[in-house]
Amino acid sequence: DQQVKQNSPSLSVQEGRISILNCDYTNSMFDYFLWYKKYPAEGPTFLISISSIKDKNEDGRFTVFLNKSAKHLSLHIVPSQPGDSAVYFCAAGGGGADGLTFGKGTHLIIQP
Amino acid sequence: GAVVSQHPSRVICKSGTSVKIECRSLDFQATTMFWYRQFPKKSLMLMATSNEGSKATYEQGVEKDKFLINHASLTLSTLTVTSAHPEDSSFYICSAYSGTAYYGYTFGSGTRLTVV
Repeated sequence: DQQVKQNSPSLSVQEGRISILNCDYTNSMFDYFLWYKKYPAEGPTFLISISSIKDKNEDGRFTVFLNKSAKHLSLHIVPSQPGDSAVYFCAAGGGGADGLTFGKGTHLIIQP
Repeated sequence: GAVVSQHPSRVICKSGTSVKIECRSLDFQATTMFWYRQFPKKSLMLMATSNEGSKATYEQGVEKDKFLINHASLTLSTLTVTSAHPEDSSFYICSAYSGTAYYGYTFGSGTRLTVV
């Protein structure tokens, strides 16, 4: 049973526009969430996180929104840049789990 | 879809002993396996990268003699924490790259190691 789901395997966005990556979870006990970015042949790198006591966290072009009632979080990237093309993983922690539970990832493609 | 099985999920061991963690790709062949360590509520730290049949490549600061990685087959990689100390207590997670898709990458469920 997948507790963290990223239902879009890929997403294509025009450069300069907003990219919105979505993530759903089933375990209501998760208490923090993270987004990782991964380029080919490299390991994931941390991007931004949010605690369950917040509903928004912003860092430059990246904003993560958390909707606890819907068990949904999203990552907004604005404006999107070519270097943002990568795979983005959503992860959740806490809630009795020993570490992080990852989604399957979404491949973001920024088109010129 | 691609599934990576990692076990044990939890292990408690005494200081000075060794612990082996296994990571298996169940329905695909993993050309490359990555091993990470996660610190509480923090990012993953890449420890090493292993390719089937060759020696692992360790990241700077990771002791290769302490964290032995073996990738003997396309479906199995192991991480052995040798002469474990309490400071090795952490959450270890593997990830397998299928090589069949540009971004084919699947995480295991992780192992909580506690050294007492």
